[in-house]
Amino acid sequence: ETGVTQTPRHLVMGMTNKKSLKCEQHLGHNAMYWYKQSAKKPLELMFVYSLEERVENNSVPSRFSPECPNSSHLFLHLHTLQPEDSALYLCASSQNWGGGSYGYTFGSGTRLTVV
Amino acid sequence: AQSVTQLGSHVSVSEGALVLLRCNYSSSVPPYLFWYVQYPNQGLQLLLKYTSAATLVKGINGFEAEFKKSETSFHLTKPSAHMSDAAEYFCAVSVFGNEKLTFGTGTRLTIIP
Repeated sequence: ETGVTQTPRHLVMGMTNKKSLKCEQHLGHNAMYWYKQSAKKPLELMFVYSLEERVENNSVPSRFSPECPNSSHLFLHLHTLQPEDSALYLCASSQNWGGGSYGYTFGSGTRLTVV
Repeated sequence: AQSVTQLGSHVSVSEGALVLLRCNYSSSVPPYLFWYVQYPNQGLQLLLKYTSAATLVKGINGFEAEFKKSETSFHLTKPSAHMSDAAEYFCAVSVFGNEKLTFGTGTRLTIIP
């Protein structure tokens, strides 16, 4: 079992659907992150959770709704998405929010296609 | 705030040739520096990191990077490219007390047979 697991790996959804992305980490980390990676664009940090509290929200549209019920699980709830939301969504975790030498551990991502 | 700049969005090298991917950083305090690799439709995997110990850092898959404070650089090298090295490579920086990694825009490495 890899350290950070994301499900599903691929998702196709219509613009009126509601779906959720799941991320689970087995590393005992206290911070978790959602990133969006679009073609030919830099990695975009969406949300940061530390000890289950949201500590950063980078002007993400409300059609993306994160949830962190405990330090091992992170969700991204999706509704009424737009085609431009099609991207690879990456989850990551780190030891702590505040100690910069550890880096992040990433999941394999969810490839989202909005039709 | 800290930042990194990756010079060259695309780099092509012949199989067996030297790989050199460039990264320059900007930070007002001593940085922590990272290189990540991403294969198609995969997440980012840590290749190596510099955390103020040895300036020459060895990573996985035969890669290494050297921290040069005078040049504010942390270039990634591999003596002999392999076809399996074809991927996208990201440089990243953080500092003590701020876990937030700041990523570069990535360099896509192509290996020519």
